[in-house]
Amino acid sequence: EAQVTQNPRYLITVTGKKLTVTCSQNMNHEYMSWYRQDPGLGLRQIYYSMNVEVTDKGDVPEGYKVSRKEKRNFPLILESPSPNQTSLYFCASRNPGTHRFGELFFGEGSRLTVL
Amino acid sequence: ILNVEQSPQSLHVQEGDSTNFTCSFPSSNFYALHWYRWETAKSPEALFVMTLNGDEKKKGRISATLNTKEGYSYLYIKGSQPEDSATYLCAFRRGGADGLTFGKGTHLIIQP
Repeated sequence: EAQVTQNPRYLITVTGKKLTVTCSQNMNHEYMSWYRQDPGLGLRQIYYSMNVEVTDKGDVPEGYKVSRKEKRNFPLILESPSPNQTSLYFCASRNPGTHRFGELFFGEGSRLTVL
Repeated sequence: ILNVEQSPQSLHVQEGDSTNFTCSFPSSNFYALHWYRWETAKSPEALFVMTLNGDEKKKGRISATLNTKEGYSYLYIKGSQPEDSATYLCAFRRGGADGLTFGKGTHLIIQP
């Protein structure tokens, strides 16, 4: 089954404790992206990657890092989480070749709480 | 900063009734307009990707129209069913950009 898998789905952590949210897709998609969803706001892009070893900042990159060492994986790293990073995070992917207008395939979301 | 507005923010509709809601977006440098359906605790799923002015797309009881000149899209649901309850997101992609700008969504609740 074609899917985007995120882990963990739920996490409560404390300020300053480094964490990584993993994202993996099995569709051989070149493009991957991270979004955050906050109450009263639309999904906002954090980082994206056009292909392996190519990453770029989105609209709200502060406090986050990413890496793209393999095509299927795109982890989101919070080096020193703060309470304002409490949010629902979505990973998404697409294949620019077959979905050139940008249809995204989303993971199920990771709800992160930073105390 | 691109402005993508959806209205209404939330909507209660009686089962069997038809409904519609709006997405407005910048009318310049248009590339694509997406509609996604997002059920609680699930992944947002693409409903439509619309690219041409005047486009109309349909999937079962759900359809969408696009007016790129005036910068709006309508999503229609005919004969609402409880399983239509979800948040409907629209997202705008401008020419030359890789990312999408999302609206805040319309939260639709179908009442039996």
